[in-house]
Order: sequence, then structure tokens, then C-alpha cells
Amino acid sequence: QVQLQESGPALVKPSETLSLTCALSGDSVSRYYWSWIRQPPGKGLEWIGYIYYTGSTNYNPSLKSRVTMSVDTSKNQFSLRLSSVTAADTAVYYCARCPGVVSPGVALFDYWGQGTLVTVSS
Amino acid sequence: DIQMTQSPSSLSASVGDRVTITCRASQSISNYLNWYQQKPGKAPKLLIYAASSLQSGVPSRFSGSASGTDFTLTISSLQPEDFATYYCQQSYSTLSITFGQGTRLEIK
Repeated sequence: QVQLQESGPALVKPSETLSLTCALSGDSVSRYYWSWIRQPPGKGLEWIGYIYYTGSTNYNPSLKSRVTMSVDTSKNQFSLRLSSVTAADTAVYYCARCPGVVSPGVALFDYWGQGTLVTVSS
Repeated sequence: DIQMTQSPSSLSASVGDRVTITCRASQSISNYLNWYQQKPGKAPKLLIYAASSLQSGVPSRFSGSASGTDFTLTISSLQPEDFATYYCQQSYSTLSITFGQGTRLEIK
């Protein structure tokens, strides 16, 4: 059974860097693509980006200048870094599996982590 | 970016009702449209992919259809566990994946 678990600081100060890790079990990070999606409190979903185990990435254009994703195949996990955060980055952050992106039909999210709330505040 | 617009934003219905939620794309996305259900405090769950294909384990009362740039999610007979927020997501532009703003389905 595929399971994803986000971890990282729940509180980040403005202008600092948010860092989260998603640990994967029941699957290999060397298969498929892996995404981050966020949801501000009471609002909708926003795709942040995805990464392939080779290190190939694609980010949401609106966040591209601040986002870095990485993958650690030895630990079967992948990570998100979001720099220069503001209160607008306060959200529940989800990691999710994306079966593929080469074909449009599989650019969906079929397994999700439970989400972790990150608050940006001094 | 491809914009996805859902309607209505919220909806009240009763158990047993037939409910339809619509999602409109700002341009053609073929049938590359997925639907998710999200309950409070939980992660979204994939219900339907490619506009009309039911994800494994999802009850058959859920169905999806497409007509041009308009997509619909139908619940044939609402059950108590169906009250949630529903999101559409386009997977046509894999370089910029976008979601609809959500439709909150509430108990009347």
C-alpha cells in the first residue's frame, strides 16, 4: 500500500525558507513523478510542482523563482524548499504521487500524504 | 495557464438527491480532466480521471462526462458520506497543472 508522509517545521518566520520532506513507503521514488500541492486555510488547491527521480523538475510558474525540489533515492523520499516566505505561504502542504506527465492523461494525483500545516509568522 | 471554473461554488442537497457539479476550462483540454473529493481535515481523493473513468474503489453513483470545454460530475443518489468539497483538475497542460476553485456540497 502506497503511503506518503510529510514532515518539517510547522512554523517558519517571514523571509526564511520553508523546508518539507515526504517519506514514501509501499512504492519506490524511482518510479513515477512526485508532486507538492498546497492549500491555504479555507481555500482551494494549488499545484506547486513535480520532480522525477532523475532530478528533472517542473514548477508552477507563479512560484518558480522560489521553489526547489529534490529527491533522495537512498532514503526513498523527496523534498520541497520554498524561499522568502510570507504570510501568503501559510497553508497545508501535501505531497502526492503523479503517475506521469509525458502523457496528459496521467498527470493526476492518485496517492496523497495527510498534509502538514505550515504557518508563516514571526 | 488554463483556468478552471467550477459552478456552483456551493450547493445544498439532501440524501438521495441527484447532484451535478460543472467545471469549465478556459480552452480545449480534450478529456484530460480529473475530479477529487475532499473531506474536512483530509487529503483530496481521486474520484474520476480522464473525464469519465472511475478510479478503483469509487462507488458507481459517481460519474463524469464531458462536452467541449464543459465537464460534469454527477452523483446519482447522494449518500451521507458524499457531503464534501469537490475539485476538478486539468491534466492537459502538464507544465502548469491547475485546479478549479472547488464546490462545497452541504446537507440541506
